[in-house]
Amino acid sequence: GAVVSQHPSRVICKSGTSVKIECRSLDFQATTMFWYRQFPKQSLMLMATSNEGSKATYEQGVEKDKFLINHASLTLSTLTVTSAHPEDSSFYICSARGTANTEAFFGQGTRLTVV
Amino acid sequence: AQKITQTQPGMFVQEKEAVTLDCTYDTSDQSYGLFWYKQPSSGEMIFLIYQGSYDEQNATEGRYSLNFQKARKSANLVISASQLGDSAMYFCAMREGWAGTALIFGKGTTLSVSS
Repeated sequence: GAVVSQHPSRVICKSGTSVKIECRSLDFQATTMFWYRQFPKQSLMLMATSNEGSKATYEQGVEKDKFLINHASLTLSTLTVTSAHPEDSSFYICSARGTANTEAFFGQGTRLTVV
Repeated sequence: AQKITQTQPGMFVQEKEAVTLDCTYDTSDQSYGLFWYKQPSSGEMIFLIYQGSYDEQNATEGRYSLNFQKARKSANLVISASQLGDSAMYFCAMREGWAGTALIFGKGTTLSVSS
């Protein structure tokens, strides 16, 4: 299957700082990328959908000014958690889909801990 | 109403036995896709199997098969000949409508395989 690389896999940051998470499609052009958040032992909750070159569409309850999503190219999307707080600690995972794909392929996920 | 329901928080099975993980879904779309993913403790989402709403035959992928009962809106995953490495969280997911929409996940089932 297609490869999606997410970086970093783990990050610890101080409260009030910002963290950027990258999601790259390595062998296909990702026209659409999805960002999910997962709390321990819970399901994946969709945060936002982004299409290359346009603004992301955020799910209800997700603060767009706090979770900045950029999808400037067909192989890269970034999620920036701004002014992170301990309650933002979670597992963040992206998935990417190309025009020819039935399924969306997932990155490895990023475990964010805010201290 | 939940779109994807997984009623088994945890399942236990012995090695070499078969196990069925339940999933029911709710949609008014005629075109949709059903997915199963495995999530080990590392967090990565491993795609297992896909069933399209118009597929007449049940999907199979190696030891995995999907028991698709459209009238009952169920899409149970059957794992034959369980292995210790199958111990993980399993998520059922649905994509409604066209292929560019995000996946909606169930709450997951934790499968434990013992020797």
